[in-house]
Amino acid sequence: EIVLTQSPATLSLSPGERATLSCRASQSVSSYLAWYQQKPGQAPRLLIYDASNRATGIPARFSGSGSGTDFTLTISSLEPEDFAVYYCQQRSNWSTFGQGTRLEIK
Amino acid sequence: QVQLQESGPGLVKPSQTLSLTCTVSGGSISSGSYYWSWIRQPAGKGLEWIGRIYTSGSTNYNPSLKSRVTISVDTSKNQFSLKLSSVTAADTAVYYCAREVVVIRTFDYWGQGTLVTVSS
Repeated sequence: EIVLTQSPATLSLSPGERATLSCRASQSVSSYLAWYQQKPGQAPRLLIYDASNRATGIPARFSGSGSGTDFTLTISSLEPEDFAVYYCQQRSNWSTFGQGTRLEIK
Repeated sequence: QVQLQESGPGLVKPSQTLSLTCTVSGGSISSGSYYWSWIRQPAGKGLEWIGRIYTSGSTNYNPSLKSRVTISVDTSKNQFSLKLSSVTAADTAVYYCAREVVVIRTFDYWGQGTLVTVSS
């Protein structure tokens, strides 16, 4: 099983700041990594697929990068609605998810 | 606009079988472009992929759950279903159904989720 480790567990930032979230895979997943955003009481929402491709309707402030085992989700300038939990997901093997990074308002 | 809606009992007794159905609207479950998946999330925890089914009926399951899981599809009703046998308290979670795009194997539409509690 491919294990995804996300860091940090919690990130405290203010609106307007830049957020950098990390996801590390226990073995290479090539570029087969996606990012999701989940708000309380809601289903996850797809943000990024195949490491760097924004899903339909996702604002340009969200960007993804990386390949192999190290990946990054960057939010260039935080909006109030961006504070949520973020998960990475790999599809190289059957799907597994990271444990999540909580992005909270500082 | 595609919508998915989970339905089924919210309470299941230990050792019994959990059964959920996902009804798809706004699109055909017979489309060859998608898998149809089940994912669960225990309270305050992360996401766990349970398994998927294709319109042909072919399935893939999470190896950790494979011995207890059955996913089936009813194209005439535009529905797919999950059965999880021999449940314990560890199976208590919010269960989501989701559409998985075949070519990128990511989940682009999700149901709202349904809480299933395993308790006597």
